[in-house]
Amino acid sequence: DAGITQSPRHKVTETGTPVTLRCHQTENHRYMYWYRQDPGHGLRLIHYSYGVKDTDKGEVSDGYSVSRSKTEDFLLTLESATSSQTSVYFCAISDVIGGNEQFFGPGTRLTVL
Amino acid sequence: AQKVTQAQTEISVVEKEDVTLDCVYETRDTTYYLFWYKQPPSGELGFLIRRNSFDEQNEISGRYSWNFQKSTSSFNFTITASQVVDSAVYFCALSEAGYSGGGADGLTFGKGTHLIIQP
Repeated sequence: DAGITQSPRHKVTETGTPVTLRCHQTENHRYMYWYRQDPGHGLRLIHYSYGVKDTDKGEVSDGYSVSRSKTEDFLLTLESATSSQTSVYFCAISDVIGGNEQFFGPGTRLTVL
Repeated sequence: AQKVTQAQTEISVVEKEDVTLDCVYETRDTTYYLFWYKQPPSGELGFLIRRNSFDEQNEISGRYSWNFQKSTSSFNFTITASQVVDSAVYFCALSEAGYSGGGADGLTFGKGTHLIIQP
């Protein structure tokens, strides 16, 4: 299994509070991704990174920011959490653009009250 | 824009039956990649297969087989002699090659098919 961890695995927070989720990999893969999974929507891309300090927006980026200061870490921040951001968040990694499969972390279940 | 449609929201079969999960995709690129992922009740996402747009050969892996047809933009997944352990949500996904809207910016997933195998 690819070495991907996510922390925390579960979090409950209140509306308006900032939240940071961490994705850590030990595979030295260049590309990293954040997705959210919601019932009836499958997985949707939030942000992605194609190298240290190189990030870009995905399909559902509003309300989220990311940072990648090291190859192994990709942080997802909700500046002011809202109830609509209650979801399961998955991090993924890939070592080749486009053609290679992405390997997923175990997920973080976030509940915003 | 790219799109993946999994019209079957939920399928329930009895163990040992064969079952096919449908996947239809849309893309304007001539080079693209198709994937299937499995998400068991435990929640983790596991990779099953990748197929590129230039390879239309069907693939078989044990009880699993995949039928890729560019003419109908479909990439269907068949489980033969299903088992209870096959119960999961299955996702079909698409990635376009290159930076122009695709490869770097992640996978486009279908909404998933929840497969229930009854003993």
